[in-house]
Amino acid sequence: GEDVEQSLFLSVREGDSSVINCTYTDSSSTYLYWYKQEPGAGLQLLTYIFSNMDMKQDQRLTVLLNKKDKHLSLRIADTQTGDSAIYFCAERRTSGTYKYIFGTGTRLKVLA
Amino acid sequence: DVKVTQSSRYLVKRTGEKVFLECVQDMDHENMFWYRQDPGLGLRLIYFSYDVKMKEKGDIPEGYSVSREKKERFSLILESASTNQTSMYLCASSYSGSEQFFGPGTRLTVL
Repeated sequence: GEDVEQSLFLSVREGDSSVINCTYTDSSSTYLYWYKQEPGAGLQLLTYIFSNMDMKQDQRLTVLLNKKDKHLSLRIADTQTGDSAIYFCAERRTSGTYKYIFGTGTRLKVLA
Repeated sequence: DVKVTQSSRYLVKRTGEKVFLECVQDMDHENMFWYRQDPGLGLRLIYFSYDVKMKEKGDIPEGYSVSREKKERFSLILESASTNQTSMYLCASSYSGSEQFFGPGTRLTVL
């Protein structure tokens, strides 16, 4: 199918690491993205990874890509209350007319 | 910084009304997109446009139409609003091959 899947909720304590997981379906996808949506706002790009990479690190964020299993994860180190938001993974497909497929979003709640 | 603006943050309309949602981007992006966002369903693509006067149906185009007369502006039209079109509408734009930049969203309620 076309779905990009994520779990709906994640709750962590402030200072712990958060890991948000995503599975996608199209092996031809060249870019995979993580977006953050704060309450009442649009989506902001957090980071992205090329499909020929396994890992990308950007300050507190680490993206891991397992292309064989079509599994993408976002790790947030030292999670803060300001990280509470909805996180979307997205794949950009190149088969046919290119388009972006978004996951259902994971709502991260950080407990003080 | 790329800026994508949407004409309204909140909108309340009645069933059967014609509704226009406007989106403007200031970075000369070729591609523009309209999504709706519903809890548990993520973002679903309604329509997109890769050039002026060009449009392509997304996954859920029924009940919607679009207009792109100028490169910077992409309008979403609900010809006859229905209650099941109550949703958050997000506009985005991009260069070909790049990430999408999103507007703040319009929360539409149809009574």
